[in-house]
Amino acid sequence: QQPVQSPQAVILREGEDAVINCSSSKALYSVHWYRQKHGEAPVFLMILLKGGEQMRHEKISASFNEKKQQSSLYLTASQLSYSGTYFCGTEKNSGGGADGLTFGKGTHLIIQP
Amino acid sequence: DTGVSQDPRHKITKRGQNVTFRCDPISEHNRLYWYRQTLGQGPEFLTYFQNEAQLEKSRLLSDRFSAERPKGSFSTLEIQRTEQGDSAMYLCASSLSPRDGYTFGSGTRLTVV
Repeated sequence: QQPVQSPQAVILREGEDAVINCSSSKALYSVHWYRQKHGEAPVFLMILLKGGEQMRHEKISASFNEKKQQSSLYLTASQLSYSGTYFCGTEKNSGGGADGLTFGKGTHLIIQP
Repeated sequence: DTGVSQDPRHKITKRGQNVTFRCDPISEHNRLYWYRQTLGQGPEFLTYFQNEAQLEKSRLLSDRFSAERPKGSFSTLEIQRTEQGDSAMYLCASSLSPRDGYTFGSGTRLTVV
């Protein structure tokens, strides 16, 4: 079952904050977040594991609510370089990665100067 | 390390022809994944290798799709009797452990005419 991402698109001014949500109908073991720029490969941002802590990388952080099967990605004081499409990828069980990730349809983020 | 390499970057083929794509993962990564991405969608999981063992192949789209990783290093994805619906970006990714994010290659864009 594909996770549902919201919003589908966001347009921000540089310096503004954004939140991207990812919801699944199934219990999750982990949630990955990736950013993909047009014509490029997805780039790993962070992973959240069941029972793990909220993650942070510079001005980007993420949380994982296991009970609600939801994850949120927080972008603080957005920079022009944050523009791109953000994907969450979910893993249902701790099968060592053999089931791969199920990705959402993505959230398009546009940062304007 | 130069990251994950994929070859070719672009492939145009006539319907009915066979195509083969190559992926060279990061050398110390024993986990290798193949994904397919179509326009406006997130990557779709196809298959998974741990070293040379193909541990998940039920998600390959049809029996026309096959993958190998003969010596646990590079991998190939073959599509036989290509159809127009096979047109997509084929992404390879590798990782070191289930708790690590993936490193994606730049992909092979397949166009079936």
